[in-house]
Amino acid sequence: KAGVTQTPRYLIKTRGQQVTLSCSPISGHRSVSWYQQTPGQGLQFLFEYFSETQRNKGNFPGRFSGRQFSNSRSEMNVSTLELGDSALYLCASSATGTPNTGELFFGEGSRLTVL
Amino acid sequence: AQSVTQPDIHITVSEGASLELRCNYSYGATPYLFWYVQSPGQGLQLLLKYFSGDTLVQGIKGFEAEFKRSQSSFNLRKPSVHWSDAAEYFCAVGARSTGFQKLVFGTGTRLLVSP
Repeated sequence: KAGVTQTPRYLIKTRGQQVTLSCSPISGHRSVSWYQQTPGQGLQFLFEYFSETQRNKGNFPGRFSGRQFSNSRSEMNVSTLELGDSALYLCASSATGTPNTGELFFGEGSRLTVL
Repeated sequence: AQSVTQPDIHITVSEGASLELRCNYSYGATPYLFWYVQSPGQGLQLLLKYFSGDTLVQGIKGFEAEFKRSQSSFNLRKPSVHWSDAAEYFCAVGARSTGFQKLVFGTGTRLLVSP
């Protein structure tokens, strides 16, 4: 079974640009969560999507947005990039219903550098 | 709101020695508790979780953790550390109301294993 796939793995942007990151969950997983990981703030929850609906949201500005498609693939977008948005963005998928292991399966992340 | 404290930023353990990583959480009710491990350049992998029931939980790779409600702790232990255990370990807490996808992570403990 293929794991969680995130693309691109690395990208460099400049301030003011926008970026879109993609996440393909494990087959059959309908929940996709996004986390930001930085040396200063650690791992912070961005949002979670389930069946194309945002189910949970973290405390990030509106520049951070996401969506989920009918095949459960998800994208997140960051507009008007700031230097502080440089981070590793991790996507995690999870099963819901039965059997529900309560486990998040993480991808390897997309490392964004903002210059 | 939940919070997690991992008081040790770095820990060095000799190979074959025992390990205990500390985790204290703040939450008004019984939380979901997790330990995740992250190897360099990788996403996170679940070691174990506590939802309810037996307060001593067994995980993968020989790890175990004990939930102590009176101390608001969920310390991770391993009786004999292997060099491959060198990684960063994250304790996380989730609220039952928002599920196990929206987690608050501690700042992590980096484990170094000496020969």
